[in-house]
Order: sequence, then structure tokens, then C-alpha cells
Amino acid sequence: EIVLTQSPGTLSLSLGERATLSCRASQSLDGNYLAWYQFKPGQAPRLLISGASIRATGIPDRFSGGGSGTDFTLTISRLQPEDFAVYFCQQYLSSVLTFGGGTKVEIK
Amino acid sequence: QVQLVQSGAEVKKPGSSVRVSCKTSRDNFNKFAVNWVRQAPRHGLEWMGGFMPSYKTANYAPKFHGRATFTADESTATVYMELDSLGSEDTALYYCATSRSFGVTFDHWGQGTLVTVSS
Repeated sequence: EIVLTQSPGTLSLSLGERATLSCRASQSLDGNYLAWYQFKPGQAPRLLISGASIRATGIPDRFSGGGSGTDFTLTISRLQPEDFAVYFCQQYLSSVLTFGGGTKVEIK
Repeated sequence: QVQLVQSGAEVKKPGSSVRVSCKTSRDNFNKFAVNWVRQAPRHGLEWMGGFMPSYKTANYAPKFHGRATFTADESTATVYMELDSLGSEDTALYYCATSRSFGVTFDHWGQGTLVTVSS
């Protein structure tokens, strides 16, 4: 099973600041089979990024994904009020799909 | 836009079973796989497996093989997840989510169904 480790656990930032979230895989994800999701309480989760860097339909361009191999990042360039949430990465290289432990982005 | 509507919260006794439903539209029913992902306090997010209505085929994660069963009712465009032999560790928020096929990303999600296992 591929283990994904996300850091930091919590990120405390102000509106307009830049958020950088990390996701490290226990083995190389080859063709960058990594996705990012946004979770908010009481709402349906949302796919943000697939293929490590491809924004899903309707996702604002302040969200960007990067990285390759075992190290990936999600960057939110200028935090908006609606961006405070929990973010998870997910790998789909292996037939057993796994998620990271999540990073909570909270208002400082 | 793909919308998924899940059934309401459940409270179950240890050792019993639970069935959670996920309803989509007739237009979308055979276009996607429907996956089940749960979020439990001590286990984070876990993919339980998926069901492809168009092929009536299920793909279970090893941890849930033999204890989870996925089915579908085409007449109501609803996919079901049944989990047997419930224990306290099964207390979680259960989501359904679509994917283009097995083993890829989860493109659209339901709102989640809270299942509480308590004596």
C-alpha cells in the first residue's frame, strides 16, 4: 500500500497570504497519479487537482499543483475566505487507492 | 453537473449491518463508477471500493472485501453500500463519489452519511 504523508497538519494563515501544502508518497507515483481535494464541514468534497497539476473544471487559478515522483505540493496563491478548509491528497497509481492524513488551513 | 444525494444518518448496534444509498440521475447512472470513501476519526480517509453500474461489477478494497457489498437499482438510479458485522471502528462519515472508471480520481461527491455504531 502506498502511504501518503501530508505536512503540515495545520497551517494558520491570513487572508491574501500564500499557502503551500506538501504531500510525500512512500514510493514514486511515476506518471504523477496524484490528486488534491478540498473538504469543508457539511459540504460535498471537491476535486481540485488531478495528474498532480491539472485543475479540475471550475477550480480558480489561485489553486495550483506541482511536484513529481514522491514529492508534491498544492499552492493557494492568495487565500480567500472560502479557502479555509481541510485538504487531502490521493494517489491512484496503485489499485488500492489511498489518501494522505490531511492539512487543515485555518484563519490566523 | 453530476449530483449525488445520499441517505440520512444511521445509528446501529455492534454486529448489525447498515445500508447507505447514493442517488444520481438516470442520465448519469451508467456513465460512471460509484465509489465509497469513509472518513473515520482514527483512520482518516479510506477508499472502500467502487461499483460500475453499466457492467454491474464491483471492485473492493482488500480491507473491506467480504464485509462490504455494493449493489445498484437502475430503475431509481441508486447505488447502495452495505457493510456487515459493524464495530465501533466503523463509526464514520461515508461518502459516495463518482469516477470515470475504477482506480482514478473522485470527480463528484455526495454530501456524506454519518453512521454511528453504538451499543
